[in-house]
Amino acid sequence: AQTVTQSQPEMSVQEAETVTLSCTYDTSESDYYLFWYKQPPSRQMILVIRQEAYKQQNATENRFSVNFQKAAKSFSLKISDSQLGDAAMYFCAYRSANTGNQFYFGTGTSLTVIP
Amino acid sequence: DTAVSQTPKYLVTQMGNDKSIKCEQNLGHDTMYWYKQDSKKFLKIMFSYNNKELIINETVPNRFSPKSPDKAHLNLHINSLELGDSAVYFCASSLGVGGPEAFFGQGTRLTVV
Repeated sequence: AQTVTQSQPEMSVQEAETVTLSCTYDTSESDYYLFWYKQPPSRQMILVIRQEAYKQQNATENRFSVNFQKAAKSFSLKISDSQLGDAAMYFCAYRSANTGNQFYFGTGTSLTVIP
Repeated sequence: DTAVSQTPKYLVTQMGNDKSIKCEQNLGHDTMYWYKQDSKKFLKIMFSYNNKELIINETVPNRFSPKSPDKAHLNLHINSLELGDSAVYFCASSLGVGGPEAFFGQGTRLTVV
């Protein structure tokens, strides 16, 4: 089974600053999707950003961007101009594009935004 | 208007009871999931259905029984509830095997006392 590793259980950032959350994964497949989900205290799981493995260009969504390093199997999330509303648990997730019966999640990173 | 809706949001019940959680999606997706999130926030797959067919059944006690009457619904019935079943249960859906992202319901916080 694929594994997704988030090595930072907790991170903090000053409001308006930039923070990077790390994620690595293990797979033998070449075609897959990677995701970052946000879970605020309301516990709703919200998709932040998606990356297709076949795309070399890093995905961006407003203040959120990723650094996708396929060879290194690394997928980090950069949050620019951090806002108080960014405080949440962030989960990295993997899904095979060919046999994707499930999403594999990392253990999450709890992000605190300091005013 | 809600894409994936679960009911109830909160469920408090006594040990030994039987309870159900309902899930419905209006996105036209053909794959639905149940995930369990434990107290450490770890998300673990329980079941996955594609076009009403069970395709993943992880190591889950057989007290947990999913039912998918149609592609838009996936319910979870739990018999003889135990203290260790206390967790947040998420329903999710996606488009096709190997399709893009999953959309999640708001979760059901189950507390067994």
